[in-house]
Amino acid sequence: EVQLVESGGALVQPGGSLRLSCAASGFIFFSDHYMDWVRQVPGKGLEWVGRSENKATDYATYYAASVNGRFTISRDESKDSLYLHMNSLKNEDTAVYYCAAGIVGARGAFDVWGLGTLVTVSS
Amino acid sequence: DVQMTQSPSSLSASVGDRVTITCRAGQGLSDSLAWFQQRPGKAPKSLIYGASTLQSGVPSRFSGSGSGTDYTLTISSLQPEDFATYYCQQYRFYPLTFGQGTKVEI
Repeated sequence: EVQLVESGGALVQPGGSLRLSCAASGFIFFSDHYMDWVRQVPGKGLEWVGRSENKATDYATYYAASVNGRFTISRDESKDSLYLHMNSLKNEDTAVYYCAAGIVGARGAFDVWGLGTLVTVSS
Repeated sequence: DVQMTQSPSSLSASVGDRVTITCRAGQGLSDSLAWFQQRPGKAPKSLIYGASTLQSGVPSRFSGSGSGTDYTLTISSLQPEDFATYYCQQYRFYPLTFGQGTKVEI
């Protein structure tokens, strides 16, 4: 069974940093999958944060304007893991952060989602 | 950015009803359109991609249609477990964008 498990969410002060992890299991080749981060402020809608494409594009990354320059996505293929490095955190970054895996060959369509991890930015 | 507009924002329905949710994109998506279901307190679940392809394990009462800029999610006979919020998403262009959501209530 394919599964994603996020971790690393915490309470952090404005201006601080945090690294989220997303551990993947059950994938045949993790490197074939686009991987995304999506966030959701409690009670609000879904907001795409960024993507790591797959091995075919040398894991090209793309970001939402709201996090570009502050957040960085990386992946460790040896651990089948995805990371979100968050710097210069703001109050408005408070949200549940989900990772999602893409369907191989489906032009970036999402497949599996993790359960999410809560990031709270507050002094 | 491609704006995604869902309608209605919320609806009330009964078990057994046919429900239709629409999603309009700010530009043509070439069917790179997905639908997600989110129950309260839970992670989103992928229902449909490619505008009309059901994800594995999704009941056949769910269907998707449309092309260009206009897409539809239909639930043919609403079941108790279908009361949730539904989101459309375009993945044709960066940044990926979601609709604002449609809450289906009893």
